[in-house]
Amino acid sequence: AQKVTQAQTEISVVEKEDVTLDCVYETRDTTYYLFWYKQPPSGELVFLIRRNSFDEQNEISGRYSWNFQKSTSSFNFTITASQVVDSAVYFCALSEAKDNYGQNFVFGPGTRLSVLP
Amino acid sequence: DGGITQSPKYLFRKEGQNVTLSCEQNLNHDAMYWYRQDPGQGLRLIYYSQIVNDFQKGDIAEGYSVSREKKESFPLTVTSAQKNPTAFYLCASSSRYRADSPLHFGNGTRLTVT
Repeated sequence: AQKVTQAQTEISVVEKEDVTLDCVYETRDTTYYLFWYKQPPSGELVFLIRRNSFDEQNEISGRYSWNFQKSTSSFNFTITASQVVDSAVYFCALSEAKDNYGQNFVFGPGTRLSVLP
Repeated sequence: DGGITQSPKYLFRKEGQNVTLSCEQNLNHDAMYWYRQDPGQGLRLIYYSQIVNDFQKGDIAEGYSVSREKKESFPLTVTSAQKNPTAFYLCASSSRYRADSPLHFGNGTRLTVT
């Protein structure tokens, strides 16, 4: 069965520090997709990135970077030079194809990041 | 701007009453979803709809009902049979019902039942 673990329940950092959010997943499928979402206090989940299981290239987008390692089933998210606006709950999610067509989305429990001024 | 609108943002009901949460999208997405979020937990799927006039139960459908009469709309009714209805409810949509399609979320409705 598929599962997503985010072992860090809460993290607090001071502004300008770098912070890494961990995500470990379990799946039996060879084709799957990994996502990160940000949930600010407003409540809406904001899509940040999607990565497919065949693309292990790391990605950088501004202050955000993602490290995908199939060997350890991890898809970690790093924020460089954190800012107060980064304070949110971050969710990692795994999506497998269901019946070779549909989708089966599983979310981790989330990591609450607090960036202090 | 395209997006998903959920209303109301806060909803209070007495125990034993049914309540309907609204979800409208103008993204022209085929698939729509309802999730429930409880403190410290991830999102759990209640119902989903791949196309108009079709919907399927998710992992925690008991005590909930939905309809999908229009592509843009996917209302959720929380019935009196739902034993613990107080929660944050999120509606989402995706362009297709496929594993690679990201979900796009609304702002959520916080339901409190007393």
